[in-house]
Amino acid sequence: QSVLTQPPSVSAAPGQKVTISCSGSSSNFENNHVSWYQQLPGPAPKLLIFENSKRPSGIPDRFSGSKSGTSATLAITGLQTEDEADYYCVTWDSSLRAVLFGGGTKLTVL
Amino acid sequence: EVQLVESGGGLVQPGGSLRLSCAASGFTFRSNWMTWVRQAPGKGLEWVANINFDGSETHYVDSVEGRFIISRDNAKNSLYLQMNSLRAEDTAVYYCARLMVLWPPINFDYWGQGNLVTVSS
Repeated sequence: QSVLTQPPSVSAAPGQKVTISCSGSSSNFENNHVSWYQQLPGPAPKLLIFENSKRPSGIPDRFSGSKSGTSATLAITGLQTEDEADYYCVTWDSSLRAVLFGGGTKLTVL
Repeated sequence: EVQLVESGGGLVQPGGSLRLSCAASGFTFRSNWMTWVRQAPGKGLEWVANINFDGSETHYVDSVEGRFIISRDNAKNSLYLQMNSLRAEDTAVYYCARLMVLWPPINFDYWGQGNLVTVSS
């Protein structure tokens, strides 16, 4: 059971918008950034969002992130079938000195 | 081009040891923290360990503390994970990854292809 809580699954139709939530606690979220990763079937994960809302080069602006208090959200607009993947939020726990992964959310594009 | 190539995985009996290696190229290895992340079959991602630039600072997930050792050889551009007292629950694909030069150390911008470790009798 992960310390960071994500919905196990979400779904939406192509072209629609979907949001994935991630909730934590004051010892991890409040004083640290959140990152998001996409894992397509097979390959290694890919960094999608860092420092809550920044995108690495090459990540389309259809992907956006936000954070408020002890929760964070990944939003994907203009859904495409190739967005079907598992998505993970990640943060740092300052008291544990440890990296925390959320349990992951499986996105299905209907 | 940044490349991370893992090696050393395989089948090991419970209680045994295994050493994973990750050969890095395409960047100044000593300038980045490095990490190991694992994924058990059909499960989510789990962070295992981080190491700083020169190996003087390391962090571990509780479940491997005292059993696993992360280390690096900057002269050889290599990252290692020495895994001792292995348990069935350590069975996973192990990824090495590079950390962006940001704090906190959660931004893994390049990943290896993954290396399967199976702990079974």
